[in-house]
Amino acid sequence: DQQVKQNSPSLSVQEGRISILNCDYTNSMFDYFLWYKKYPAEGPTFLISISSIKDKNEDGRFTVFLNKSAKHLSLHIVPSQPGDSAVYFCAASANSGGGADGLTFGKGTHLIIQP
Amino acid sequence: GAGVSQTPSNKVTEKGKYVELRCDPISGHTALYWYRQSLGQGPEFLIYFQGTGAADDSGLPNDRFFAVRPEGSVSTLKIQRTERGDSAVYLCASSLTSAANTGELFFGEGSRLTVL
Repeated sequence: DQQVKQNSPSLSVQEGRISILNCDYTNSMFDYFLWYKKYPAEGPTFLISISSIKDKNEDGRFTVFLNKSAKHLSLHIVPSQPGDSAVYFCAASANSGGGADGLTFGKGTHLIIQP
Repeated sequence: GAGVSQTPSNKVTEKGKYVELRCDPISGHTALYWYRQSLGQGPEFLIYFQGTGAADDSGLPNDRFFAVRPEGSVSTLKIQRTERGDSAVYLCASSLTSAANTGELFFGEGSRLTVL
């Protein structure tokens, strides 16, 4: 039973355009959401996060949007660059007092930026 | 180095053997996590340490898996009587605070375990 779902295994975007990666979750106890980026043979690296009290967080080319009523978040990358090609994982955590203390990850979306 | 260090980077073993995987977290990070990533899946939580104690081991799949962190720094994940289904990349991560307190995790490069 996947609590964090990334339904697109891969996404191809032209360089310079906007990349939109989507994530859905089912556990209403989740109150903090993160995006991680992973290159081959490396561990995931933190990219951006958002608390459930916000609906948007922006950091340079990266913006994360959270729609709590829909239990949906998205990561926007604009403009997309070749170095953005990687696997992106959506992750969520629940406030201590609910569930495991670790992050729950989705299966990832492989973003490919076409030159 | 400044990051999370994991050894070995690759381990090939035979079914039924015992395996130890080591993690050296970022200095000063009290929280340490083990995750397992199977092919085509996201990282799956195994166990979380706060200091020397296992604060949450609910992700360990069965009693063949065990982890220790005796001095609150280096941790070892131990797998007894390995099975082919244990083949995966085992990721270690550390953090200043727990993930539940909105601390992001810093991951190592992982140990790839292959059980033949």
